[in-house]
Amino acid sequence: ELKVEQNPLFLSMQEGKNYTIYCNYSTTSDRLYWYRQDPGKSLESLFVLLSNGAVKQEGRLMASLDTKARLSTLHITAAVHDLSATYFCAVDILGKIIFGKGTRLHILP
Amino acid sequence: DAGITQSPRHKVTETGTPVTLRCHQTENHRYMYWYRQDPGHGLRLIHYSYGVKDTDKGEVSDGYSVSRSKTEDFLLTLESATSSQTSVYFCATQTGAYEQYFGPGTRLTVT
Repeated sequence: ELKVEQNPLFLSMQEGKNYTIYCNYSTTSDRLYWYRQDPGKSLESLFVLLSNGAVKQEGRLMASLDTKARLSTLHITAAVHDLSATYFCAVDILGKIIFGKGTRLHILP
Repeated sequence: DAGITQSPRHKVTETGTPVTLRCHQTENHRYMYWYRQDPGHGLRLIHYSYGVKDTDKGEVSDGYSVSRSKTEDFLLTLESATSSQTSVYFCATQTGAYEQYFGPGTRLTVT
């Protein structure tokens, strides 16, 4: 069965702290996606990771992919309130894109 | 912004009626997707298309059909709407570099 598991599902953290969201998937894939969704809005693409060892960074967010461990991480550095949102990872399995349930991130001032 | 529109944006319909949702893109992207989003489930793939007249099923395709007669339009039809199909529906396209762009969503309520 294809599974994409994110943890944690909920995260409340203080501004200025660092944290990591984990995304595990159950079958081989060479494409992994991270998205952001604000309440009541559509999804915004953050990163597309296409190969083992890929690392991408945008501002305070950095994503990495380990295809051997079937694991991706989204690292938040020195969090700010504007990063409060729900973050999804998704995996491409032969054209079918399977999403994790999302991590709701709440950053406290 | 990839120029994706969805129509209607909101719809309330009765159980047993057919419903068609439309996704329109202006970017000439080959791949298009329909998802539904429900609390506690994240997004789930309903159907996708990899070209005109080329479609395939996703995770939750039962009760849904799709058609793509032109590159720019991808239609999702609920043959006979049920209350379990109350959801927010998102359309997405994918670029050649595998980046996905999502439409604004359609909120469907089946009473």
